[in-house]
Amino acid sequence: SQQGEEDPQALSIQEGENATMNCSYKTSINNLQWYRQNSGRGLVHLILIRSNEREKHSGRLRVTLDTSKKSSSLLITASRAADTASYFCATDAGGAQKLVFGQGTRLTINP
Amino acid sequence: DAGVTQSPTHLIKTRGQQVTLRCSPISGHKSVSWYQQVLGQGPQFIFQYYEKEERGRGNFPDRFSARQFPNYSSELNVNALLLGDSALYLCASSSQGTRETQYFGPGTRLLVL
Repeated sequence: SQQGEEDPQALSIQEGENATMNCSYKTSINNLQWYRQNSGRGLVHLILIRSNEREKHSGRLRVTLDTSKKSSSLLITASRAADTASYFCATDAGGAQKLVFGQGTRLTINP
Repeated sequence: DAGVTQSPTHLIKTRGQQVTLRCSPISGHKSVSWYQQVLGQGPQFIFQYYEKEERGRGNFPDRFSARQFPNYSSELNVNALLLGDSALYLCASSSQGTRETQYFGPGTRLLVL
């Protein structure tokens, strides 16, 4: 079963706008990771945020983590056509030796 | 440095056959994990190996098995293939496991007819 749930399932915005995706999970975690996937290819790691961190930045990406609400968000600023992809959050499910993924958010950036 | 590599990239099999998928981790990485991704869903964990020992197993039938070799490469075997085994099979490597970034390969797309 899926640990995380991304919201929305699909998002379509204009190039240059900001995109926000949310992720909720069920169990305690050590870390939460965000990945991008283009057209059913391999996953590309974006950001890892640990349970004792509240916010992390990487270029145009900003991730927040609220462990009290068991939720995380990924913000992509100044979106580009190349950002079109599926985005997944994944947790280590309390230290289990596996990543548990959500269903993903399909992001479409319109030129 | 080379990333995670997987072979083959695509594979077509018929029901009842057996398949072996291969993964080479990033140099220096001792942990390899396998995931199955059915179209339209997120990846599902199958196995994790570290230093040639199985450290985790997902909710998959015994038809699925894996092993890790001394050079840390890994194989995933699936016996008695079913139509529902059609999926993208992803391999991920890391230095130690899920407490750090997982680096994924491009995947092997398996179609079972």
